Amino acid sequence: DGGITQSPKYLFRKEGQNVTLSCEQNLNHDAMYWYRQDPGQGLRLIYYSQIVNDFQKGDIAEGYSVSREKKESFPLTVTSAQKNPTAFYLCASSTNRVSGYTFGSGTRLTVV
Amino acid sequence: GESVGLHLPTLSVQEGDNSIINCAYSNSASDYFIWYKQESGKGPQFIIDIRSNMDKRQGQRVTVLLNKTVKHLSLQIAATQPGDSAVYFCAENINTGTASKLTFGTGTRLQVML
Repeated sequence: DGGITQSPKYLFRKEGQNVTLSCEQNLNHDAMYWYRQDPGQGLRLIYYSQIVNDFQKGDIAEGYSVSREKKESFPLTVTSAQKNPTAFYLCASSTNRVSGYTFGSGTRLTVV
Repeated sequence: GESVGLHLPTLSVQEGDNSIINCAYSNSASDYFIWYKQESGKGPQFIIDIRSNMDKRQGQRVTVLLNKTVKHLSLQIAATQPGDSAVYFCAENINTGTASKLTFGTGTRLQVML
């Protein structure tokens, strides 16, 4: 079955550590996205990529980094520069035309 | 489960009643709109979409209405069931000529009472 997979489902990070969240899709979608979700707020765009080897900052990119070396994969690194990283992170993908997104099941990141 | 949307507006309906969830969007240039459903601890799921050249679209038990004059979108769910309990988000796309870049609303929690 085609879909988008995020791992791990739960992740714990110590202060000062970088952690990487995985996102893989086998939908042959060109565009991929990372969103952050906090209680009481909508989804906020961190980074997006419309094509391999290219990506753009979203609204809250500070403290995060991404890469897009393969069409299927768009990993997100939460760096130690991100001061409040505890949140639910959602990855999505879409075709390169106006359409809805397919979302992964999310990764819950907690700083301990 | 996930603590998504602890302080969201909440709509409570009786099982079997119809639900109407509303959304005000921000940009008159938006040309495409989507409703998503998000259950606790899961990613959002696509429900229904509508393009700006339409004012109504129906799916199975769901209807989306678009009023471009007042920039308002609504989702109607007929005969609401317990499985409909979730947070519902609207999203709008501003036509950039390339891929979608959706902007999401803050969401409404739907609680179905038995």
